[in-house]
Amino acid sequence: GAGVSQSPSNKVTEKGKDVELRCDPISGHTALYWYRQRLGQGLEFLIYFQGNSAPDKSGLPSDRFSAERTGESVSTLTIQRTQQEDSAVYLCASSSLPGQGNIQYFGAGTRLSVL
Amino acid sequence: GQNIDQPTEMTATEGAIVQINCTYQTSGFNGLFWYQQHAGEAPTFLSYNVLDGLEEKGRFSSFLSRSKGYSYLLLKELQMKDSASYLCAVKGDYKLSFGAGTTVTVRA
Repeated sequence: GAGVSQSPSNKVTEKGKDVELRCDPISGHTALYWYRQRLGQGLEFLIYFQGNSAPDKSGLPSDRFSAERTGESVSTLTIQRTQQEDSAVYLCASSSLPGQGNIQYFGAGTRLSVL
Repeated sequence: GQNIDQPTEMTATEGAIVQINCTYQTSGFNGLFWYQQHAGEAPTFLSYNVLDGLEEKGRFSSFLSRSKGYSYLLLKELQMKDSASYLCAVKGDYKLSFGAGTTVTVRA
């Protein structure tokens, strides 16, 4: 596609429910990143995928968070048993290579509200 | 650890110049990025500096001093559409570490 696409754009859920967020990266981009943006705060790194290498999950805040990516295509971020502190905008980015200087292109994000 | 600081808010008049400063202390450095983010939209790439000095791109310029851990983004001839949040981000190995962003409001 022309850009990084994320769905849904907005998600309202009840505390304790599971949610699944989707990211379609730019075609041909091998690297994919998930970030979280809480109100008034900077983007926090969550997880990084590069091709078929093992993902870097060092930013995931708890074991309720997980993500998958098949090859160099779609990725899903799953949050189990959501809590109110999970409310944030979840942003996905992709880049052609992870090396120095490669620009990360962002999607518009999924705004998650946990009631 | 990573520590990236930038002012929270700035206000300027249409046609004027605004300079957004960013200071950083990071464990690794492979470049500094500036992104623009309008409310509810994706952050969009503005500039990238990896060597010391000034990079100019139209109305926007970005400066880097690696020895001082300092960068600035200069916006000239401000337009109303420049009202947005500006994000400073430092690249380590592959991750970006972001500041909290500077909200710039342009007034007529």
